[in-house]
Amino acid sequence: AQSVSQHNHHVILSEAASLELGCNYSYGGTVNLFWYVQYPGQHLQLLLKYFSGDPLVKGIKGFEAEFIKSKFSFNLRKPSVQWSDTAEYFCAVKDYGQNFVFGPGTRLSVLP
Amino acid sequence: DGGITQSPKYLFRKEGQNVTLSCEQNLNHDAMYWYRQDPGQGLRLIYYSQIVNDFQKGDIAEGYSVSREKKESFPLTVTSAQKNPTAFYLCASSLDRRGNQPQHFGDGTRLSIL
Repeated sequence: AQSVSQHNHHVILSEAASLELGCNYSYGGTVNLFWYVQYPGQHLQLLLKYFSGDPLVKGIKGFEAEFIKSKFSFNLRKPSVQWSDTAEYFCAVKDYGQNFVFGPGTRLSVLP
Repeated sequence: DGGITQSPKYLFRKEGQNVTLSCEQNLNHDAMYWYRQDPGQGLRLIYYSQIVNDFQKGDIAEGYSVSREKKESFPLTVTSAQKNPTAFYLCASSLDRRGNQPQHFGDGTRLSIL
């Protein structure tokens, strides 16, 4: 069965610091990859997605992610975080089956 | 505005009671999903439905039941057989019944046991 891991449970950064959140998945076939964000008190929203093509995908609010097939990874990056980026971030993978599999989430706290 | 509406926002259940969580979408999406979110465990799939009158078990279906009588509605019943029902429940929908499109999420229902 597909599994998704996220490297960090809680990340704390100062404003303007660079961000990289790790995501690895287990299934080696064709996958669709997603990053979702959950701001405090709000519903889950899609940040970005990868289906095919350029492995470097750009999402909303200055986020980007790179798909590295050989490493089964889809890490999320942002060059300079803001206090408003404080949220919980979830990586998700959809493989050949119907199921979306979500990682456990990484909580990001940005200090002003 | 199109979206997914979950109700109620907070729900309390007594031991041995069944409760039903509502999920309605006006996005004209084919597929709908129910997830359970627990701290440190991310989202786990309970049930999903690709089309009206059809649904499939997810990873943690025991103690739950669903119905899909209408395209826009996918209610989840938490039965007394679910021994640890206290959690945050999220409903989602997707345009593509095969799940090849991103999911849209509701605001969630927090269920607690009295």
